[in-house]
Amino acid sequence: EAGVVQSPRYKIIEKKQPVAFWCNPISGHNTLYWYRQNLGQGPELLIRYENEEAVDDSQLPKDRFSAERLKGVDSTLKIQPAELGDSAVYLCASSIQGAHTGELFFGEGSRLTVL
Amino acid sequence: DAKTTQPTSMDCAEGRAANLPCNHSTISGNEYVYWYRQIHSQGPQYIIHGLKNNETNEMASLIITEDRKSSTLILPHATLRDTAVYYCIVRSGGSNYKLTFGKGTLLTVNP
Repeated sequence: EAGVVQSPRYKIIEKKQPVAFWCNPISGHNTLYWYRQNLGQGPELLIRYENEEAVDDSQLPKDRFSAERLKGVDSTLKIQPAELGDSAVYLCASSIQGAHTGELFFGEGSRLTVL
Repeated sequence: DAKTTQPTSMDCAEGRAANLPCNHSTISGNEYVYWYRQIHSQGPQYIIHGLKNNETNEMASLIITEDRKSSTLILPHATLRDTAVYYCIVRSGGSNYKLTFGKGTLLTVNP
């Protein structure tokens, strides 16, 4: 079974440039999460989707960050314009709502460096 | 969700048991204890979770104290591949699978 797929794995951009990350969750997983992980810290939730609906985006900096999950499958996280402080690893995860274990499956992440 | 306290780092010899402690003194009755780990340059990986009974699976054992204020994750025979950051997370039950990660414990398994 394929896991959560993210791309690109690495991205280097200059500040004020736009950047986008893509996530393909595990087939059949209706819940999708975007987390941000700064160096030396644990992941922090940015947004959670149930199917195509964003049910928790309270931690998403809406002035420059946007996300979408068309058709309730793949998702894209965009930053425009990027700032130096946005350098981090962006992790996507998926899960099955109602699953007994409540286990989240994470992708390998997209590492962003803003110069 | 209740907060957790974990040591910043721990060392373990290869082949020995690794016992990772976690304090969650403010845990409430409907909150579960979850453990995830994150190997360098990978995303976090689920290990185990429990409510009040001890749990065991193919990866680890979880021992929760009777008052539920602390727990210990046990890797019975640590290998070099178990070197990772281990996160102890307390999460409320229900369908909201929001996980709030702390800084975790960096476990280093030495040969």
